[in-house]
Amino acid sequence: SQQGEEDPQALSIQEGENATMNCSYKTSINNLQWYRQNSGRGLVHLILIRSNEREKHSGRLRVTLDTSKKSSSLLITASRAADTASYFCATDENAGGTSYGKLTFGQGTILTVHP
Amino acid sequence: DTGVSQNPRHKITKRGQNVTFRCDPISEHNRLYWYRQTLGQGPEFLTYFQNEAQLEKSRLLSDRFSAERPKGSFSTLEIQRTEQGDSAMYLCASSLSGGAGETQYFGPGTRLLVL
Repeated sequence: SQQGEEDPQALSIQEGENATMNCSYKTSINNLQWYRQNSGRGLVHLILIRSNEREKHSGRLRVTLDTSKKSSSLLITASRAADTASYFCATDENAGGTSYGKLTFGQGTILTVHP
Repeated sequence: DTGVSQNPRHKITKRGQNVTFRCDPISEHNRLYWYRQTLGQGPEFLTYFQNEAQLEKSRLLSDRFSAERPKGSFSTLEIQRTEQGDSAMYLCASSLSGGAGETQYFGPGTRLLVL
């Protein structure tokens, strides 16, 4: 079953603009990860944020995590046409402190960046 | 580091036939996961291995599905008596337990079409 819900389901912007995607989840987690998937291909890991972290940066990416609201956001700054892809959040659920690393994915946000 | 590889990349089969997919994880990774992804959805967890032991199976994994990881290296996923509902992308991922937050690295996937 899908744990997370991404919002919006689709986002269309111009090159150079910022893109923000949100993810909500339901259970206690060890960490939350964001992945990118180009059309019909495998997933590429973007960034991981642990449950005790609130914000993380990687290049043009900024991720926030609010465990009290069970939500996360991914911000891509100065977007490029090459950022066009589907973006998924995935949670590593905290099942009594034991983490097997099993990920539960949301349905994804389709981002289109127009040149 | 050659990444996670999967073979075949595409498989077309007729309903009722058996199919087998192979996944070669990153060589030092002890954890291996199988996921299934249908069009417009995020990946859904199927099963997980730590070394050669299969430690968890999803309810999605019916009796027609079997996975193995002999010697804790590559893994195979077999689907017996395929049904049209099995058509999906089958993704394999690997990770190193105790590593930096259990980042999973995905292969390119095997796209299955059951006619």
